[in-house]
Amino acid sequence: DQQVKQNSPSLSVQEGRISILNCDYTNSMFDYFLWYKKYPAEGPTFLISISSIKDKNEDGRFTVFLNKSAKHLSLHIVPSQPGDSAVYFCAATSNDYKLSFGAGTTVTVRA
Amino acid sequence: ETGVTQTPRHLVMGMTNKKSLKCEQHLGHNAMYWYKQSAKKPLELMFVYNFKEQTENNSVPSRFSPECPNSSHLFLHLHTLQPEDSALYLCASSARDTPGYTFGSGTRLTVV
Repeated sequence: DQQVKQNSPSLSVQEGRISILNCDYTNSMFDYFLWYKKYPAEGPTFLISISSIKDKNEDGRFTVFLNKSAKHLSLHIVPSQPGDSAVYFCAATSNDYKLSFGAGTTVTVRA
Repeated sequence: ETGVTQTPRHLVMGMTNKKSLKCEQHLGHNAMYWYKQSAKKPLELMFVYNFKEQTENNSVPSRFSPECPNSSHLFLHLHTLQPEDSALYLCASSARDTPGYTFGSGTRLTVV
């Protein structure tokens, strides 16, 4: 049973515009959420995270929004750059710190 | 350098071969993980080790055999694999009481 879902397998966006990636979860015990970025032939690297006590966390061009009532989070990248082309994984954890991952969204930034 | 090193980066093996994947972390983490990533699928957790003890085996076939001799090293021994086992195998580590993993670059395994 997949507890973290990324329903959009891919996203194409023009350079300079906003990329919005969505993630839904089913486990109400999740209290910490992370986004990872992965280039081909490399391991995922941590991008940004948010605790359930917050509804927004911003780091440069990246902002994560959390809507606990809807069990939904999103990652905004603005402005999008060619180097942002990668696979983005949403992950969630509860107090055991074991991560559950979504299937990933492939982002392509067009010049 | 991510702090988690996986070798080899690429491996091609026949179905009757025996090979091993190696993972080493230099971050002082206490937990280590093996994940499998197949195309278009979520990351699949295979094994979890905490302080060298296996705490989770996610119904992985016995042709995959993990070994964790200490908190810094993790191996995945492979024997009589099948073509559908071809995937990217990722090692990760984490610190106690800190959410989030550090991943290695992975081993791209092809079974022929």
